[in-house]
Amino acid sequence: SAVISQKPSRDICQRGTSLTIQCQVDSQVTMMFWYRQQPGQSLTLIATANQGSEATYESGFVIDKFPISRPNLTFSTLTVSNMSPEDSSIYLCSGILVGTGGTDTQYFGPGTRLTVL
Amino acid sequence: TQLLEQSPQFLSIQEGENLTVYCNSSSVFSSLQWYRQEPGEGPVLLVTVVTGGEVKKLKRLTFQFGDARKDSSLHITAAQTGDTGLYLCAGDETDSWGKLQFGAGTQVVVTP
Repeated sequence: SAVISQKPSRDICQRGTSLTIQCQVDSQVTMMFWYRQQPGQSLTLIATANQGSEATYESGFVIDKFPISRPNLTFSTLTVSNMSPEDSSIYLCSGILVGTGGTDTQYFGPGTRLTVL
Repeated sequence: TQLLEQSPQFLSIQEGENLTVYCNSSSVFSSLQWYRQEPGEGPVLLVTVVTGGEVKKLKRLTFQFGDARKDSSLHITAAQTGDTGLYLCAGDETDSWGKLQFGAGTQVVVTP
C-alpha cells in the first residue's frame, strides 16, 4: 500500500495570493493526479502530474492558474495562483501503485481544505 | 468524457437495515471502482470490478458489475453506524492511464 500526505492540511488565504500544496508519497508511484472536491461532493480531476515534464490538464484547468511540479516519483506540488473565493475547495492528490497480478490501486491523500476570503 | 450517474444522492437508514447504491453510465468502462470517504480524509478504495457480471463480496458489502460493464451496484447488508460516509463510484476510461471519472457520490448516514 501507499501512504500519501499533504501539506498544509488547511489554509485560509486572501484574494489575489497564491498557495502551494505539497504531496508526498511513501512509495514510488507511476501516476500522480490532482483533484478538486467541494465538501460532500464528487471529485473533479484537475491534471495529471508527469515526472520531469509539464502536467497534462483537464478541460477547464490551465497551467497559469494551477502550475504543477513533479520532480520525482514520490513528490508533487500544486499551486493555486491569484486566488479568488471561487477557488475555495478541497484539493486532493493521488498516486497509482502497481500491484501484483497487474492490478493497480489509486491511493488518495487526506486533502487540503482551502478557504479564500 | 464518460458520465457516471450515481443514485441516490443521499440515504439515511437505521442500523440493521439494508441499502443499495447504484452507478450507471451509457458508456463502457474497462474497470469500475468503489470508494468510501469520511470527513477530512481522502477516498479509500473498497473494491475494483473488472469483468462484466462480476460479483465481489467484502464482509457485509456486495459489489456487482453489470454484464455490459456500464453499471454497478453496491449493496450493504445489516448496515452499521461505521458504514456512514460518502460512497463514490469511479470508472477507469479505456487507455486513460489511470484517470478516473467519478460519480457524484452517495452520502450514507446510518443512525443507531
